[in-house]
Amino acid sequence: EVQLVESGGGLVQPGSSLKLSCVASGFTFSSYNMHWIRQAPKKGLEWIALIYYDSSNKYYADSVKGRFTISRDNSKNTLYLEMNSLRSEDTAMYYCAKWGFDYWGQGVMVTVSS
Amino acid sequence: DIQMTQAPSSLPASLGDRVTITCRASQDIGNYLRWFQQKPGKSPRLMIYGATNLAAGVPSRFSGSRSGSDYSLTISSLESEDMADYYCLQSKESPLTFGSGTKLEIK
Repeated sequence: EVQLVESGGGLVQPGSSLKLSCVASGFTFSSYNMHWIRQAPKKGLEWIALIYYDSSNKYYADSVKGRFTISRDNSKNTLYLEMNSLRSEDTAMYYCAKWGFDYWGQGVMVTVSS
Repeated sequence: DIQMTQAPSSLPASLGDRVTITCRASQDIGNYLRWFQQKPGKSPRLMIYGATNLAAGVPSRFSGSRSGSDYSLTISSLESEDMADYYCLQSKESPLTFGSGTKLEIK
């Protein structure tokens, strides 16, 4: 059974940093590109980042480019999202998703507030 | 960036109705179009990929179609479990972009 489990969210102050993790199981993680997607409270979905299976390519939404970094450790079946210079508008539920968007994690909440 | 214009934003409908949600792409995206269903407090669920292909486990009352740059999700006979938010997504090029969503609710 494919599972994606996010962790690392919480309440942080503006300007601070946070690193999210997404642990994958039930499929060959090292063979698949992976995404991060977020959803602000009561708002729509926003794609924010993609990493290739071998980390050779990374793509970002303009809203997070230069502040967020997507990475992965295939030996640990884990996807990461390092978030710096956090703003109130980054408050959202963050989801990881497998290439093809056929599997999503349950999401982890990030709240940026003073 | 490719813009996905989704309509309507809200769709009141009755059980048994045939309903259609549409997304229009601002540039050519071929068939790189997916549809998702999201229920309150849940993660999105893939419903349609490649514009017209039903994802695994999705009931056959759901279908996807394309006419030029217009993409549609149709539910042939609405059931209560279909009440949810629906989003389209283009994955032709980065940045990937979602439509703004459609809230399907009981009339």
